[in-house]
Amino acid sequence: AQSVAQPEDQVNVAEGNPLTVKCTYSVSGNPYLFWYVQYPNRGLQFLLKYITGDNLVKGSYGFEAEFNKSQTSFHLKKPSALVSDSALYFCAVRDGAAGNKLTFGGGTRVLVKP
Amino acid sequence: DAGITQSPRHKVTETGTPVTLRCHQTENHRYMYWYRQDPGHGLRLIHYSYGVKDTDKGEVSDGYSVSRSKTEDFLLTLESATSSQTSVYFCAISSGTDSYEQYFGPGTRLTVT
Repeated sequence: AQSVAQPEDQVNVAEGNPLTVKCTYSVSGNPYLFWYVQYPNRGLQFLLKYITGDNLVKGSYGFEAEFNKSQTSFHLKKPSALVSDSALYFCAVRDGAAGNKLTFGGGTRVLVKP
Repeated sequence: DAGITQSPRHKVTETGTPVTLRCHQTENHRYMYWYRQDPGHGLRLIHYSYGVKDTDKGEVSDGYSVSRSKTEDFLLTLESATSSQTSVYFCAISSGTDSYEQYFGPGTRLTVT
């Protein structure tokens, strides 16, 4: 069965500094990987995905993610964090079986301090 | 929130009462999902639908049932609500073709007293 791990419950970063949110996965077959962001009292918003192709994927709001097959990782990055990036971030992997289901990691809270 | 609405947005109900949550989409997507979000558990899939009248269980389906009589509507029913079902419930949709990402509704906060 597929699984996703987000090893950090919280990441603190100063505004303007690089932001990295870590994700590792376990899946049989080719991984389809996703990042979502959740702001307070809101639903999850899709940020970016890796299906195939370039290992560096660019997404919304200046975020990007790097797929590393040998390390089974899909870390989310932003070169210069903003206070408005403070939110809850989820990594997910597609279940290859029927239903187009996603398995989510436990989430990482990002706090960007001014 | 990508053409997805959930109703009600907030509900307080008593233990033992039936509750129905509604998800409505305007995207004509094939797949629809119900999740619950709880502190320390992230997002957990309750049920999903892969077409009209086609539904299947997720990882936490006990105590929940679903129905999908139209492409645009997916209903989640708690037959007899319990305090353990106090949670935030999210509906999601996906086309399931080419782009596999899911898009989420705004959520329903349910409190069972």
